[in-house]
Amino acid sequence: NAGVTQTPKFQVLKTGQSMTLQCAQDMNHNSMYWYRQDPGMGLRLIYYSASEGTTDKGEVPNGYNVSRLNKREFSLRLESAAPSQTSVYFCASSGLGQGVNGYTFGSGTRLTVV
Amino acid sequence: GNSVTQMEGPVTLSEEAFLTINCTYTATGYPSLFWYVQYPGEGLQLLLKATKADDKGSNKGFEATYRKETTSFHLEKGSVQVSDSAVYFCALSHNNAGNMLTFGGGTRLMVKP
Repeated sequence: NAGVTQTPKFQVLKTGQSMTLQCAQDMNHNSMYWYRQDPGMGLRLIYYSASEGTTDKGEVPNGYNVSRLNKREFSLRLESAAPSQTSVYFCASSGLGQGVNGYTFGSGTRLTVV
Repeated sequence: GNSVTQMEGPVTLSEEAFLTINCTYTATGYPSLFWYVQYPGEGLQLLLKATKADDKGSNKGFEATYRKETTSFHLEKGSVQVSDSAVYFCALSHNNAGNMLTFGGGTRLMVKP
């Protein structure tokens, strides 16, 4: 099925380890986003990419880096994981001129940092 | 800046009860408004939307009307089912570069048989 695919679905890291969360969409969307979801805090934007070749910081970018590898793929990297980064991470995408249609979300990556 | 405020949950209802989840927003201009639903263990799914004042979005028995005069977009359903148990998020978009969405904090709905 067409949509947004995230990998992995679950991950446990030790403090200080690094990892990359992968996201790919097959809808030819221009814009892609990374959010984190914490209990009682809704969704907070980490980074976004309005179009291929561009990335910008969102509300909570500290401790993260991103790469828009091509139009399909947008990865999120944790260079040195901290317990405060324990969260559920969602990738989303939206098409050009389709702000009125909102986003398509992936199913999430549940990350635990111990 | 833009913001979305939702009623805090959880909201607990019996099956076939009437549902209202309040949502108000702060924004300049004319944003598009959305309701998303998140079922346990899943990502968010678009439930309904409205793109201009007085528009009514509807889907799966849920409705919400874009009220610019009260800056509100309350979600309603006449008769909830156990399968409606989920977290509901109100959001707005300014259709600007990057199509940024601003989300409310989410409201958990629990429907008991």
